[in-house]
Amino acid sequence: DQQVKQNSPSLSVQEGRISILNCDYTNSMFDYFLWYKKYPAEGPTFLISISSIKDKNEDGRFTVFLNKSAKHLSLHIVPSQPGDSAVYFCAASKMIGNTGKLIFGQGTTLQVKP
Amino acid sequence: NAGVTQTPKFRVLKTGQSMTLLCAQDMNHEYMYWYRQDPGMGLRLIHYSVGEGTTAKGEVPDGYNVSRLKKQNFLLGLESAAPSQTSVYFCASRTDGSYEQYFGPGTRLTVT
Repeated sequence: DQQVKQNSPSLSVQEGRISILNCDYTNSMFDYFLWYKKYPAEGPTFLISISSIKDKNEDGRFTVFLNKSAKHLSLHIVPSQPGDSAVYFCAASKMIGNTGKLIFGQGTTLQVKP
Repeated sequence: NAGVTQTPKFRVLKTGQSMTLLCAQDMNHEYMYWYRQDPGMGLRLIHYSVGEGTTAKGEVPDGYNVSRLKKQNFLLGLESAAPSQTSVYFCASRTDGSYEQYFGPGTRLTVT
């Protein structure tokens, strides 16, 4: 039972355009969502996050949108740059019990073409 | 400040052999996690620890054991390796009050 899903395995965009990565979840108890970026042969690195009490969080070129009624979040990258080419994972967490476990989606490979 | 480090970076095992993966963090984080990453499946939690001397099972714990004798170290053991344990293993840590986990560079394990 996949609680967090990224239905697009890959995405290709032109440099300077917008990249939109999507993520769906099934568990309404999740109260925090994170996006991680991963380059080959490296560990994931934190990119941006959003609390369930917000519907938008922005950090430079990166914006995450949360639609709780649809159980959907998206990551927007504007403008996209070749260095953004990586695998992007969304993750969800619930602080019940304070374990802070993350449930990850399958990942989306973004390719930004020069 | 090295962050999260993992040893070894690569390892090839034969079926039935045992090994221990070491994770170390120098950020004084209370929480530590072990994940495995397989193609098309994202990262799945194996075991985790909420503090020194404590461990708990995650989503895919079978075939693995862990220990957290010191706050800065989290060990993952494979007692009898199987080909299904071929994967990339990531360790992560976080501090109390933050959702953000910091990841190590990973260990690529192949079991033949």
